[in-house]
Amino acid sequence: ETGVTQSPTHLIKTRGQQVTLRCSSQSGHNTVSWYQQALGQGPQFIFQYYREEENGRGNFPPRFSGLQFPNYSSELNVNALELDDSALYLCASSKKQSSTDTQYFGPGTRLTVL
Amino acid sequence: EDQVTQSPEALRLQEGESSSLNCSYTVSGLRGLFWYRQDPGKGPEFLFTLYSAGEEKEKERLKATLTKKESFLHITAPKPEDSATYLCAVRNYGQNFVFGPGTRLSVLP
Repeated sequence: ETGVTQSPTHLIKTRGQQVTLRCSSQSGHNTVSWYQQALGQGPQFIFQYYREEENGRGNFPPRFSGLQFPNYSSELNVNALELDDSALYLCASSKKQSSTDTQYFGPGTRLTVL
Repeated sequence: EDQVTQSPEALRLQEGESSSLNCSYTVSGLRGLFWYRQDPGKGPEFLFTLYSAGEEKEKERLKATLTKKESFLHITAPKPEDSATYLCAVRNYGQNFVFGPGTRLSVLP
């Protein structure tokens, strides 16, 4: 069974640029959620995708957007990067409507905005 | 608004010194309470899911318990490799996960 994978591992961008982060869900999982984790804090929910549609969104501005593909992999896009966007971005997959609904996380992408 | 708090913020233990971590929550219709372990710079690793008050789960030196307002993660005779940040999260009906800030555990040899 393949776990959740994310790419790239690390990324450095400058303020105002755009970035795309990628996630492959765990085998058999159809739901992907994205989180932002600032240093020393717990993960903050950005949004969730189920069957290629956004299925819930946290308190993040529209410049944070995403996609889910037919194979359940997903992308997180962030436009007009700001310094405060520097964080660990986590992807988690789960099986919607399962009895456990447990989310399994990938290793994360460390984004640094200069 | 759903909310999760964790205490203490940081905890230092000697190897073999048992202790407990607390997770207090307010949620509209608990669908599950989740414990994760996170090592520095890595993604959270799933430990336990608890669904109803009175439920308990164990894994090696860890035991998680749940009441209607809080959950405890008991660590028995910890080892240095148990050093990590322990995250608690809740999920309510129709919503997504809300995480606490975590407890940073250091176990000294």
